[in-house]
Amino acid sequence: SSVLTQPLSVSVAPGKTATITCGGNNIGIEGVHWYQQKPGQAPMPVIYYDTDRPSGIPERFSGSNSGNTATLTISRVEAGDEADYYCQVWDNSRDHPLFGGGTKLTVL
Amino acid sequence: QVQLVQSGAEVKKPGSSVKVSCKASGGTFNTYTISWVRQAPGQGLEWMGRIMPVYNTANYAQSFQGRVTIIADESSSTAYMELSNLSSEDTAIYYCARELVITRAFDIWGQGTMVTVSS
Repeated sequence: SSVLTQPLSVSVAPGKTATITCGGNNIGIEGVHWYQQKPGQAPMPVIYYDTDRPSGIPERFSGSNSGNTATLTISRVEAGDEADYYCQVWDNSRDHPLFGGGTKLTVL
Repeated sequence: QVQLVQSGAEVKKPGSSVKVSCKASGGTFNTYTISWVRQAPGQGLEWMGRIMPVYNTANYAQSFQGRVTIIADESSSTAYMELSNLSSEDTAIYYCARELVITRAFDIWGQGTMVTVSS
């Protein structure tokens, strides 16, 4: 993948499920990582390699990846989940990481 | 617990250079790969380059080639990123981050250093 496409924004009511997508050519064969960035803070990983949660990340966060789309799903959304979310893969042809443009999650 | 602590905010003139440090604690520095990622105001994440201290080798994003230098000092467990010929477009928060070898994800991030370029 040379470009990762994310929606600019996603809005969801508290308690509902948020879905954030990351599109890329054949991204399903890559390992996709997801980061959460709250205002004024550094990014923090929430999903490694498509589906793995780092220690301390709630089970409400899950991921999937197939075909041309990777997805971050946040179940039972809370106000504290409001943040920017970025997907990332490794571009093997250039041997460096590639980030999506980011999605702002708003909790209504 | 590994931590990355960065140097403080900088204000620079156009055409000058800035050097940002990233000190690691709580781990074995020479086993890391440290990347530098910047974020312009209201924008996304942009990878700049990385260094493997054990080999003291760095590679850089093409868009920064010739302007960025990343080095590591094992004796102080500190990585440095120097960016030259600054313009207003380089105004951004600069982060260092540890790269996990196997997954190529970034598990630990510094707190960020704000660099403002203004005449």
